[in-house]
Amino acid sequence: QKEVEQDPGPLSVPEGAIVSLNCTYSNSAFQYFMWYRQYSRKGPELLMYTYSSGNKEDGRFTAQVDKSSKYISLFIRDSQPSDSATYLCAMSALAGTASKLTFGTGTRLQVTL
Amino acid sequence: EAGVTQSPTHLIKTRGQQATLRCSPISGHTSVYWYQQALGLGLQFLLWYDEGEERNRGNFPPRFSGRQFPNYSSELNVNALELEDSALYLCASSLPDSYEQYFGPGTRLTVT
Repeated sequence: QKEVEQDPGPLSVPEGAIVSLNCTYSNSAFQYFMWYRQYSRKGPELLMYTYSSGNKEDGRFTAQVDKSSKYISLFIRDSQPSDSATYLCAMSALAGTASKLTFGTGTRLQVTL
Repeated sequence: EAGVTQSPTHLIKTRGQQATLRCSPISGHTSVYWYQQALGLGLQFLLWYDEGEERNRGNFPPRFSGRQFPNYSSELNVNALELEDSALYLCASSLPDSYEQYFGPGTRLTVT
């Protein structure tokens, strides 16, 4: 079993829809949770990060962490065609330095007109 | 502010050869990370360098090695290339004591 599980998709939604992207994990030591967006032929771009449990909102994006269920989510409101990309969750157990991040395999999202 | 840069963009090698990939971090970043992104496997952590020292290593054989130079740029070397080494190799950098990593565009390595 992988430490981090993520549905690869593809997930296709119409423009304006609310998108829900999720990851589950098995390592209870993970404390730092990140979401990256990766456009085709580009490197991943850090979207949001959260520490421990709770919600964090940034514009159209909301990140949620439920440590009791070992489950994290990224919600995208009013989705746009420009949101079409692969979304990767990433996690780290260490405070301070990241040392290494453990990534999910990514969910490919397609927002259609 | 310039982002993380990597060279070359593409690299084609034959099985058994050696490949050298290069990375320049964001100015002020002292940590450099290397990841392998193979099809269907997601990003796999390879190496972490900080202040010129190797700090951590992922589950990869010793033929994957690298170094960090005094200007914090880094090099990844892959010896005795195998077909399964074909992947996108991503470099990331971060400030000291930060878990926020910023990625470069990657080097696509193809081994034939």
